[in-house]
Amino acid sequence: DIQMTQSPSSLSASVGDRVTITCRASQTISTYLNWYQQKPGKAPKLLIYGASSLQSGVPSRFSGSGSGTDFTLTITSLQPEDFATYFCQQGFSIPHFGGGTKVEIK
Amino acid sequence: QLQLQESGPGLVKPSETLSLTCTVSGVSVSNPSYYWGWIRQPPGKGLEWIARIDYTGTTYSNPSLKSRVSISVDTSKNQFSLKLNSVTAADTAVYYCASVRHLVLSMDVWGNGTTVTVSS
Repeated sequence: DIQMTQSPSSLSASVGDRVTITCRASQTISTYLNWYQQKPGKAPKLLIYGASSLQSGVPSRFSGSGSGTDFTLTITSLQPEDFATYFCQQGFSIPHFGGGTKVEIK
Repeated sequence: QLQLQESGPGLVKPSETLSLTCTVSGVSVSNPSYYWGWIRQPPGKGLEWIARIDYTGTTYSNPSLKSRVSISVDTSKNQFSLKLNSVTAADTAVYYCASVRHLVLSMDVWGNGTTVTVSS
């Protein structure tokens, strides 16, 4: 199985901050990497697929990059509605999710 | 607009079979552009992929659950279903169904989720 490791597991940030979350695969997965946002009590929401493609309806302040084993989700200017938990997920083989990164208000 | 909704018992006894159904609206489950999948999330924990199925009935399951999982599609009702047998307390979770994009296997549209508790 290909395991996914996210870092940090949590972070504190202020509205307007630039936030970066990283995800590392245990072996190369090309660009078969997806990012999700989850708010408490809600289903996850797809943000980015294929490492860098923005899902329809997702604000452009979200972006993804990377290939191989190292990937990044960036939020360029954090908004109040962005405080949530973010998960990466590899789709190269049996899907596995990262452990999540909780973005909290500073 | 594609929408999914999970349904099924909220309480299952240990050693019994968990059965859930996902009703799809806005798209036919026979549409070859989609896979259909199940994911779960134990309380306070991360996400675990369970299985997926396509319109032909071809299935792929998480090896950690494979021997206990059965997934099927009912085109007449535009639904797909999950059965997980021999459940234990470790199977207590919120269960989600989702549409799955080909190739990158992203879960594009999710149901709201249904909580299943395994307890006697």
